Amino acid sequence: GENVEQHPSTLSVQEGDSAVIKCTYSDSASNYFPWYKQELGKRPQLIIDIRSNVGEKKDQRIAVTLNKTAKHFSLHITETQPEDSAVYFCAANSGGYQKVTFGIGTKLQVIP
Amino acid sequence: NAGVTQTPKFRILKIGQSMTLQCTQDMNHNYMYWYRQDPGMGLKLIYYSVGAGITDKGEVPNGYNVSRSTTEDFPLRLELAAPSQTSVYFCASSNGAYNEQFFGPGTRLTVL
Repeated sequence: GENVEQHPSTLSVQEGDSAVIKCTYSDSASNYFPWYKQELGKRPQLIIDIRSNVGEKKDQRIAVTLNKTAKHFSLHITETQPEDSAVYFCAANSGGYQKVTFGIGTKLQVIP
Repeated sequence: NAGVTQTPKFRILKIGQSMTLQCTQDMNHNYMYWYRQDPGMGLKLIYYSVGAGITDKGEVPNGYNVSRSTTEDFPLRLELAAPSQTSVYFCASSNGAYNEQFFGPGTRLTVL
C-alpha cells in the first residue's frame, strides 16, 4: 500500500519567516495530495490540495509544489503568523483512490 | 448544517468492555471514514465506506467493526476493549475520493 513520509516532525520559525514541510510517497499511481491543519485539541481541516496535473498551487500565503518524477510534494507557508502554529499533515490517495494515507504530521511553532 | 457529529466526546472503558462510537453526517456524502490518532502519530485509517452497505478495512482494523446501513450514519464498534485502543477517534466524510474530508470533533477514549 501507499507509504507517506513527512519531515520534519517539528519546526520552529520566527514570526514573518517562511516554513517548508516536505513529504514523499511510494505509490506512483497516486494523483491527489491534500494538506490538513490541526490546531491543538481541534479536528483536522483541509487547507490546500493539489492534483497531479499541476505542479504548483497557491492560496494567499500557502503554496504546495508537486514533483511526480521524484514522488515528493511540499507545503510552503510565507510570512508566518502565530495563528499558523498547529500540526500539519500531508496525505496521498491510494488503494484504488477511495482513501488517503496520511503522513505522521509536522508540529509547527511560530515564535512571536 | 451540523456537518459531521460524533458521540460521545469522552469515554472511559474497562478492559473487555464493548462500546459503539456514533458518527452522523448531514451533507449527503457517500464516503465516510474512521481514523484513530495516537499522540505524536498521524491519522491511521481503521475502516471506510464508499456508500450504504459497502465497507472496507483500512490500515488498523483489528478489534473494530463497522456497519453502514444509511448514508448518514457510520458507527464504529469496539469489542473486548484493550489498553492499546486508547486513542482519539475521528470520523470523516467526503463527497468523493478527490474531495475534502470533513472531520467530526473526535471521541477521546481511554481503556483502563
